[in-house]
Amino acid sequence: EDKVVQSPLSLVVHEGDTVTLNCSYEVTNFRSLLWYKQEKKAPTFLFMLTSSGIEKKSGRLSSILDKKELFSILNITATQTGDSAIYLCGGSNYKLTFGKGTLLTVNP
Amino acid sequence: DAEITQSPRHKITETGRQVTLACHQTWNHNNMFWYRQDLGHGLRLIHYSYGVQDTNKGEVSDGYSVSRSNTEDLPLTLESAASSQTSVYFCASSAQAEVDIQYFGAGTRLSVL
Repeated sequence: EDKVVQSPLSLVVHEGDTVTLNCSYEVTNFRSLLWYKQEKKAPTFLFMLTSSGIEKKSGRLSSILDKKELFSILNITATQTGDSAIYLCGGSNYKLTFGKGTLLTVNP
Repeated sequence: DAEITQSPRHKITETGRQVTLACHQTWNHNNMFWYRQDLGHGLRLIHYSYGVQDTNKGEVSDGYSVSRSNTEDLPLTLESAASSQTSVYFCASSAQAEVDIQYFGAGTRLSVL
């Protein structure tokens, strides 16, 4: 059975802090690791990672994959209140298996 | 703009009733997926389809069915709704060229009383 585990499950920080969200996976015939951000409604796509060691960046967000250790991290620097959301990690083998998500709360 | 829409956005029904949730996408994506999201469980895959007439069971398919008669639509049917099926349901789709990247609808909140 495919499994994705995210940690921590929830996190409260102050604006300006840097946070690291963790994702470990055991997915048969693994193809890629995806990160999504979910605010009030639909999850929105952030990153897809397929190769180890290559960092993907978008503004203050970055992510990297370690296919040997079956692990990915999502970093957010200089957090803002608008970063408050659930961050979902999913392992893909043509279909996605998601972790339970990390609820990030950024306080002013 | 191409998009994926779900209807209704909110639904209240009684146990034992048949309920159908609609999902319609205008991206011409081959792949479509249904998930449910519950506190403490994250997103769990119910059913998915890789094309017309193709359907497959996901992790939590008991009590649900889907059919795919065209590219745009994948309706989800609860044959006899149970209180355990109270949840938020998300539909998603992905293109053949980028099969791993799924795009989600806004969700349907279903309450079974």
